[in-house]
Amino acid sequence: GQNIDQPTEMTATEGAIVQINCTYQTSGFNGLFWYQQHAGEAPTFLSYNVLDGLEEKGRFSSFLSRSKGYSYLLLKELQMKDSASYLCAVSDSNYQLIWGAGTKLIIKP
Amino acid sequence: IAGITQAPTSQILAAGRRMTLRCTQDMRHNAMYWYRQDLGLGLRLIHYSNTAGTTGKGEVPDGYSVSRANTDDFPLTLASAVPSQTSVYFCASSPGPDTGELFFGEGSRLTVL
Repeated sequence: GQNIDQPTEMTATEGAIVQINCTYQTSGFNGLFWYQQHAGEAPTFLSYNVLDGLEEKGRFSSFLSRSKGYSYLLLKELQMKDSASYLCAVSDSNYQLIWGAGTKLIIKP
Repeated sequence: IAGITQAPTSQILAAGRRMTLRCTQDMRHNAMYWYRQDLGLGLRLIHYSNTAGTTGKGEVPDGYSVSRANTDDFPLTLASAVPSQTSVYFCASSPGPDTGELFFGEGSRLTVL
């Protein structure tokens, strides 16, 4: 079966760095996505990786290793507004998105 | 403001009633999707449409139906609601079925009693 695993919850301190991991097993691979979802709101797109390596976008970076079925989202200089759930999703061989359950990130002052 | 509009934002209904969740987008996206989101689970695809006039079943289609008469609208109907359909429903769209960046509506919170 297809499966996406990510930690349920993480806690970090304002101003620090946090890494959220995602491992996947899917039938085919057409890219990996990270979305941010604040409580009570819709998910919003953060990043897309289809080739191995690191993609940097401001304070957020996303890494992919296809051979290991592994990705991480790195958040630097954490701000209170970064408190949210972070969803990992993989596009399979049919371009259908398979979603992880999300990682709830709690930022403490 | 361009985007996706869902209605209603929240609804409580009795089991056995029929309910239609509305979704309209003005971005001229070809592909549209309906997901449900439940605590502790990832987003689960109910139905999708790759282009106007076509629809397909997702991971959890039972008890739901959709139609795509035009590019902009993609309503989701629960023919006879059951308590297990209590969930938050998100409509989403993308320029094409092979582009994974989805644009989501604000969600419809449905409670079936």
